[in-house]
Amino acid sequence: EVKLVESGGGLLKPGGSLKLSCVASGFTFSNYWMHWVRQAPGKGLEWIGEIEYDGTETNYAPSIKDRFTISRDNAKNTLYLQMSSVRSEDTATYFCTTSLLAPEAYYFDYWGQGVMVTVSS
Amino acid sequence: DIQMTQSPSVLSASVGDRVTLNCKASQNINKYLNWYQQKLGEAPKLLIYNTNNLQTGIPSRFSGSGSGTDFTLTISSLQPEDFATYFCFQHNSWPLTFGSGTKLEIK
Repeated sequence: EVKLVESGGGLLKPGGSLKLSCVASGFTFSNYWMHWVRQAPGKGLEWIGEIEYDGTETNYAPSIKDRFTISRDNAKNTLYLQMSSVRSEDTATYFCTTSLLAPEAYYFDYWGQGVMVTVSS
Repeated sequence: DIQMTQSPSVLSASVGDRVTLNCKASQNINKYLNWYQQKLGEAPKLLIYNTNNLQTGIPSRFSGSGSGTDFTLTISSLQPEDFATYFCFQHNSWPLTFGSGTKLEIK
């Protein structure tokens, strides 16, 4: 069974840092691009970035570029999102997702349950 | 960035109705448009990918169409479990972007 399980969320102050994790199981993690998508409370979805198979290529949405970093550890089947210089508008549920339908595609057929991050003074 | 505009933002309908949800891209996205369903407190679920490909396990009452900038998701006969929020998503170019959603409510 495919599973994506996020962790590491919580409450932090503006300007702070936090690292989210997403542990994958049930598929060969190193064969798939991985993505982070977030959703502010009561709002829509926002794709925030992606990382390729071995971590050498990443792409980010402008809203988080230069503040957040996506990385992965294929030996641990784990995806990470390092959040820095956070702002109140980063308050959201963060989902990891991937496309098992096709390794390089953007179909997002599997999702984690999400982890909440709240930025507040 | 490509802006995705969904309409209507809220749609009230009854079980058995045929409904059409719209998604318009600010520029040509070819066929690279997906549809997701999201229920409160849950992760999104893929319904349709690349405009008109039904994801495995999704009922055939869901269908997608369109090309270029204008796309639609049609539910042929609403079932009680279909009342949810639906998002379109373009993956033609970075940054990838979602629409703001259509909330499908029970009339």
